Formats: sequence, C-alpha cells, structure tokens
Amino acid sequence: DVKVTQSSRYLVKRTGEKVFLECVQDMDHENMFWYRQDPGLGLRLIYFSYDVKMKEKGDIPEGYSVSREKKERFSLILESASTNQTSMYLCATIPRGKGNQPQHFGDGTRLSIL
Amino acid sequence: QKEVEQDPGPLSVPEGAIVSLNCTYSNSAFQYFMWYRQYSRKGPELLMYTYSSGNKEDGRFTAQVDKSSKYISLFIRDSQPSDSATYLCAVTNFGNEKLTFGTGTRLTIIP
Repeated sequence: DVKVTQSSRYLVKRTGEKVFLECVQDMDHENMFWYRQDPGLGLRLIYFSYDVKMKEKGDIPEGYSVSREKKERFSLILESASTNQTSMYLCATIPRGKGNQPQHFGDGTRLSIL
Repeated sequence: QKEVEQDPGPLSVPEGAIVSLNCTYSNSAFQYFMWYRQYSRKGPELLMYTYSSGNKEDGRFTAQVDKSSKYISLFIRDSQPSDSATYLCAVTNFGNEKLTFGTGTRLTIIP
C-alpha cells in the first residue's frame, strides 16, 4: 500500500511567519501534488511536481512556493503566512505516466494562521 | 461555471436507505471518473473509479456515468453508519495527471 505521510496533523502559526509543510511518500512516485481544502470550495490544486526539482503551478499558487530536492519529499512553503491561508492542506502522489489512475492522499495538515 | 458541480449537502438518511450522490461536469473531454470518500480528520481515499459511460458495481456501491448528460452518480445500498463521510467526485481526461474535484457532499447515516 502507498503511504503518504504529512509531518504535522495540526499546526498553528502567526501572520507573517514562514511556514513549511512536509510530505513524504514511500512508493517512488514521480508526481506529487499539494491541495488546499476549504468548505464549499472543495480541493484546489496549489502546485504539483513531476520530478525532482521540477514544479508547475496549479490553480491557486499565489502566496505559496514548493521544493522538491528528493523524489520522496515535497514541501509546501508559505513565504509570509496570512490569515486567509488557514485551511486543510493535503498532499497526494501518483506514478508518472499513470495519469488516469487515482491519486493517493495523506491525512492532511490543518493549518491555522493567527 | 465550475467545471464540476456537486451539491454540498449535508445529507442525512436513515440506516438501510439507498443513498444517491451526484455530480455534473461541463467539459465533454473528461473520460475518467472517480469517487473518493473522506472521513473526518482523514485524507480522501479512492472508493470507485470508472472510465466512460456505464455502471460499475463494487459491493454495496455502484458508480454510474452518463456522458451524454455529463452526469455522474454514486449509489450506496443498505447504507450503514460507517458510510457517514464526505464524498468527493473527481474527473480527468486522457493523459492528464491532474484531477478536477467537486466540492464534496457530507453524508450522515442515522442509526
């Protein structure tokens, strides 16, 4: 079974802080995704990466950046956290070339920005 | 117009009832259709996966796709309290590794 681990289940940070969310997968998948999930808005794609050091913007990349230095790890960075970034953040993975296969999700990080 | 529309609910039904969850989509290029189940404080997990039009059954769950009307459904028979969760539909087209999700429907099965 694919295991996708997000480092924190709950996180509380202050406005203006730089925040790092980490995601690690154990199945050697090339593609990794970061979503945020908000009530009434569903899952929205922030960034995805299709290989080490490769990234592409999703639908809502503003205020975020990402880092993929190793294949198994994909980090989401909030450069200067703001209250409107309070949300549930979900990481997902899929092997390359398997675009029509389901994505595997972690259990999420619930981030609160005060 | 959103690419995928899903009634957010909440939906409450008594145990044993048949549940019908639905999504509509706007892009006729979508060919792959998925239903994810998400329990509270957990990530989404794949429940059903279908390609093109037709029905697919897995135990108490049936996924139905009608491409002519751009309508997808998930039916749950003999619903159980353990089916209480948020159900998300997701769609994509051939070769696309990104999914487009509905907003999710929160379902509660009342014992």
